[in-house]
Amino acid sequence: GENVEQHPSTLSVQEGDSAVIKCTYSDSASNYFPWYKQELGKRPQLIIDIRSNVGEKKDQRIAVTLNKTAKHFSLHITETQPEDSAVYFCAAKVNQAGTALIFGKGTTLSVSS
Amino acid sequence: GAVVSQHPSRVICKSGTSVKIECRSLDFQATTMFWYRQFPKQSLMLMATSNEGSKATYEQGVEKDKFLINHASLTLSTLTVTSAHPEDSSFYICSARDGGRGQNNSPLHFGNGTRLTVT
Repeated sequence: GENVEQHPSTLSVQEGDSAVIKCTYSDSASNYFPWYKQELGKRPQLIIDIRSNVGEKKDQRIAVTLNKTAKHFSLHITETQPEDSAVYFCAAKVNQAGTALIFGKGTTLSVSS
Repeated sequence: GAVVSQHPSRVICKSGTSVKIECRSLDFQATTMFWYRQFPKQSLMLMATSNEGSKATYEQGVEKDKFLINHASLTLSTLTVTSAHPEDSSFYICSARDGGRGQNNSPLHFGNGTRLTVT
């Protein structure tokens, strides 16, 4: 089955700096890669996703890149703000009806002002 | 947007009792729902895939007799933790995808989660 590795486990940046979180996946059949932000005690919230027919996607300060050959994808947050502090999870899914998302272990991002 | 409702949000029960958690898709039909468990400061681990009208598919290491899943309609899946023990204390989250959109990779919508504490 799919296995998703995520690094780093913790990341501390100064407000205004950029943050990058990287993930690798094992199943070459995976073709959907979402990123979730989770605040303490709350459900994960989808912040951006990318499908395998696209190499990069951007939404304001957030961007995701995908390298299918290397089987890795990354989340980039620019101009970080204290409210970006949360746990971020990457995930991967095989393009097949009824299959679940498999999550990475998460990255705790701390943005200090 | 699509909403998944999960109840209860918190439950405290005594060891040996059973707890039922409900997951409802409010504005879409979900032939498949997913149940995840999250221990403190850890990732979301897939427990099982709930299939409407058929048996659930459990991940390796998850006891099907302990975590009973029923998906009786296109909008409701339930997870029952039977004979709960303190080690079952965790955050349980259900999720569903709007299958009506005809996309295998449409976004997954999560419930608010259930914080289970077994004393």
